[in-house]
Amino acid sequence: DIQMTQSPSSLSASVGDRVTITCRASQGISNYLAWYQQKPGKVPKLLIYAASTLQSGVPSRFSGSGSGTDFTLTISSLQPEDVATYYCQKYNSAPITFGPGTKVDIK
Amino acid sequence: QVQLVQSGAEVREPGASVKVSCKASGYTFTGYYIHWVRQAPGQGLEWMGWINPNSGDTNYAQKFQGRVTMTRDTSISTAYMELRRLRYDDTAVYYCARDWNLDYWGQGTLVTVSS
Repeated sequence: DIQMTQSPSSLSASVGDRVTITCRASQGISNYLAWYQQKPGKVPKLLIYAASTLQSGVPSRFSGSGSGTDFTLTISSLQPEDVATYYCQKYNSAPITFGPGTKVDIK
Repeated sequence: QVQLVQSGAEVREPGASVKVSCKASGYTFTGYYIHWVRQAPGQGLEWMGWINPNSGDTNYAQKFQGRVTMTRDTSISTAYMELRRLRYDDTAVYYCARDWNLDYWGQGTLVTVSS
């Protein structure tokens, strides 16, 4: 099975900072990669699919890039409401696999 | 608007079974796979499997094979996930979600396994 890793596992940044989270697949998955945001006690929310397509209604400060095995999620200007755990997920085929998550908070 | 509404919280003893429902509305139920994902307290997301509501075909994560069954009732646009032989470490929030990129999620169902 394809394994997903994320780095860092957590980060603390200031409001307005540019934040980048990396996700790596153990084998190539083309662009079948999604990113989710989960705020404490809430349901995960789809942010980006197909590696770089912004889900409707998601603020444009979120962006995704990558293909094959290496992917990034970027928040161009961190806002207080972005405090959450972010997960990547590959969905090219079963089994679907999630990364372990990256916890983002405000410094 | 697309909605997935799940059944309420459950408490079960070890060894028992639980069946969680997921009622879809706002779209054609048979047009999109339903996936089940769980999250243990303080842990990450774990995929359990999918069901194709159109055909009834299923695919389960190896970890759950033999213990999980996913079904659907197209007449009421509802998917079900039954987990048997519950263990303490099955305590988790169970989610249903639509399509391969999980674009819509249910609100989650807390299943607590406790004696």
